[in-house]
Amino acid sequence: QVQLVQSGTEVEKPGASVKVSCKASGYSFTKYAIQWVRRAPRQRLEWMGWINPGNGDTKYSREFQGRVTMTRDTSTNTAYMELSSLRSDDTAVYYCARSASWAFDNWGKGTLVIVSS
Amino acid sequence: QSALTQPASVSGSPGQSITISCTGTSSDVGSNNRVSWYQQHPDKAPKLMIYEDTKRPPGVSNRFSGSKSDNTASLTISGLQAEDEADYYCCSNVNSRTWVFGGGTKVTVL
Repeated sequence: QVQLVQSGTEVEKPGASVKVSCKASGYSFTKYAIQWVRRAPRQRLEWMGWINPGNGDTKYSREFQGRVTMTRDTSTNTAYMELSSLRSDDTAVYYCARSASWAFDNWGKGTLVIVSS
Repeated sequence: QSALTQPASVSGSPGQSITISCTGTSSDVGSNNRVSWYQQHPDKAPKLMIYEDTKRPPGVSNRFSGSKSDNTASLTISGLQAEDEADYYCCSNVNSRTWVFGGGTKVTVL
């Protein structure tokens, strides 16, 4: 079955960067885009962007352009999301999800990122 | 890209039907773009409930149905059950390369 396993909780200081991983299994990794979505405390889900693992093509939300980088390693079926210049309002749970049929059909359990001095 | 507009909360008694609206524009919900719906329980990952406006993934109860007209999509939950209490989000692709979520609706089962 499709599984997306994310890395564990991260605690970072303001101004630092964080890199979250998402290891896929149970399907052909290069055939489906990986989307990244976050939910800050008491806030809505927020789309961050996606990566096409097949060719590395990316598209980022304007809200994160310049601060986010999405990459992938096809040898380990792992996608990565790096967010830089962290602020306290970047404290959130970050999710990866597989993209299919114009929707996000399978999700990772989420990675909590805490930004605090 | 502004968030799609959803009511902040909707409530109903067990067995009743409720409908959650999701209003956007001709650039997102309208036109040929596809709307999906997600259920999120506290401290859990979102779960896909409806995709391509009206389709249900395998394993999702047929009590959940989706529709769309012009710039507004809707999710209806019939035969409301206690386990349906959760946050619900609509989502639309915008131009085949970007997506936008709604503000979220908290469903309370009275």
